[in-house]
This record gives sequence, structure tokens and C-alpha cells, in this order.
Amino acid sequence: DTGVSQDPRHKITKRGQNVTFRCDPISEHNRLYWYRQTLGQGPEFLTYFQNEAQLEKSRLLSDRFSAERPKGSFSTLEIQRTEQGDSAMYLCASSLTPGQGGDYGYTFGSGTRLTVV
Amino acid sequence: DQQVKQNSPSLSVQEGRISILNCDYTNSMFDYFLWYKKYPAEGPTFLISISSIKDKNEDGRFTVFLNKSAKHLSLHIVPSQPGDSAVYFCAALHSGTYKYIFGTGTRLKVLA
Repeated sequence: DTGVSQDPRHKITKRGQNVTFRCDPISEHNRLYWYRQTLGQGPEFLTYFQNEAQLEKSRLLSDRFSAERPKGSFSTLEIQRTEQGDSAMYLCASSLTPGQGGDYGYTFGSGTRLTVV
Repeated sequence: DQQVKQNSPSLSVQEGRISILNCDYTNSMFDYFLWYKKYPAEGPTFLISISSIKDKNEDGRFTVFLNKSAKHLSLHIVPSQPGDSAVYFCAALHSGTYKYIFGTGTRLKVLA
């Protein structure tokens, strides 16, 4: 298992453009999380999937953001009409459900660094 | 509302000495805590965890202490090594939920 993979590693886009990021979790993990980290801050929760169901979206996730996990495997995070304030590291993590062979630990990917110019 | 706080943004320690990183939390419902280490351009890497039913957990050079009455946890690294230089985040979870709340991180620099 190669861990949690995120693609691309870096993305530079012009303000107003749409971007899409992909996350491939550890194959047997049924939970998938998206976090965002800005400079000087810790990761902030964005959204969470249990299999293919999106169970919560943070208020940080405006209407311009959408996440999917269509078959309960990989996930995509799309940002429409990007703004400079969207510049951040977008982190994906996965885990097993606690009590179903998993503890409470996450495995993070290396992140996608988005720069909006 | 910062529920998890790391009040020291940076810490420098000599190689071989002890590094102590601190974390405070406000939500008494938190019952599971982790420390993550992050190198530049990489995602956070799990380091060590502790459940609220314990007050100490040890893994090699890393020990996490939990003081529930003070809502405080700390990470001790002994002996510190230059490769430990990274940003350390503490994170807290209420086991009835699914999302960790992270602190803002402490940048540790271990001097050779």
C-alpha cells in the first residue's frame, strides 16, 4: 500500500478559474477527510466521507467548493471561481472506522498546495 | 474559538537534550489526542496518541503526558535529534465525532 496519494502536488491558477484535486486513500479505509492548512495555522476540517456518503461540510466550505467520493474509493475536491483567499495547502486523510479494526488515527497525504494569482 | 492551543510557535533545543512541546485544550468532551509531525512540503505524519483513560503513553524517544484536570498535554522527546526538527501539531477529538481539531503548531529546531 502506498499510503494516501494526492494529485497534483502543486497547482498555480489564475483568479476565477476552476481547479480540481484528487485524493486516493489507503484502499481499505472507509473514511476520507479533507482539511485545509494556511500559513501559520493548523489543518482545518473541511468535509468528511464515510464510504461514498458525505456526512458533514464545514462552514469553511463555501458554495464554490464541492467534494465527491463517487464509489467510496478516491475523492475529488473542486473549487470554482477561485479567489486569492483559497490559496492554501489542501490535505486529504483517510482512516478505518474506529471499532471496525481502526483506532482514531488518520493517515494524511502530502497535500496539494494551491496558489491563486 | 480556538479549542486547541499551542502557545509556543517555536522552540530550539540542543541535540541530546529534552524537547517539551505543550498543548492546551478547552473542550472537556475531547477524549482522544494525537501528535503529528510535519516536514516542509509534506503532509502531517502521525507520531503518538493518547486516550483520556490514560495519563501517559510512551513510544521510544517520544512520551505524551495528559493532565485532564488542567486540560493540558505535552510531548517529550528524549534525546532530541536534529532529524526531529519539524513542526509539531497536537490534535484533539471527541470520540462521538469524527474530526480532529488541530492546534496551530510548534516549530521545533534541534541544534547539532
